[in-house]
Amino acid sequence: DVKVTQSSRYLVKRTGEKVFLECVQDMDHENMFWYRQDPGLGLRLIYFSYDVKMKEKGDIPEGYSVSREKKERFSLILESASTNQTSMYLCASSPPISIGQANTGELFFGEGSRLTVL
Amino acid sequence: SQQGEEDPQALSIQEGENATMNCSYKTSINNLQWYRQNSGRGLVHLILIRSNEREKHSGRLRVTLDTSKKSSSLLITASRAADTASYFCATDAGYDKVIFGPGTSLSVIP
Repeated sequence: DVKVTQSSRYLVKRTGEKVFLECVQDMDHENMFWYRQDPGLGLRLIYFSYDVKMKEKGDIPEGYSVSREKKERFSLILESASTNQTSMYLCASSPPISIGQANTGELFFGEGSRLTVL
Repeated sequence: SQQGEEDPQALSIQEGENATMNCSYKTSINNLQWYRQNSGRGLVHLILIRSNEREKHSGRLRVTLDTSKKSSSLLITASRAADTASYFCATDAGYDKVIFGPGTSLSVIP
């Protein structure tokens, strides 16, 4: 079975702390994504990566950074956590995109990491 | 920016009834996907329909796509209590992005 594993299901951090959310996939997928999910807003794309050491901003990258040093691992970093970053964070991966083709790949999601910033 | 919008936001039905959820989107797409999310869990892919397809079936699921109206619908037939979940449509937005709508919350009452 395909698997996307997020390191922590629940985290509680204090304002100003640096937070690392880790995501590992075992499907050899090129593409990985970080979303945040808030009530009434659905999923919003923070960052995505289509290759090792490559990253692209999504719709709401402010306050976040990412790291993709290995193909299977995509980390989301909150340099200085703030209360408005309290949310559910979802990592996903998908098969590679053919050059010149739109993404037609199914996304495989992890179970989510619920972050509370106090 | 949200590409897709689901309607209704919430739906409550009796077990055995059919559930219909709609999705509208703004720009041209190459494909549209539907996902399901149980409370507090990650999303699970249900079905993908390409822009040149009009209807697709998978078990009790039926998805339609009308590109002229920029809309899609998800029909769940003979619903079960276990179908209680949130349902999201997702569209491709550019070559790399997949954009989700806010979702429909479905409650199936036994």
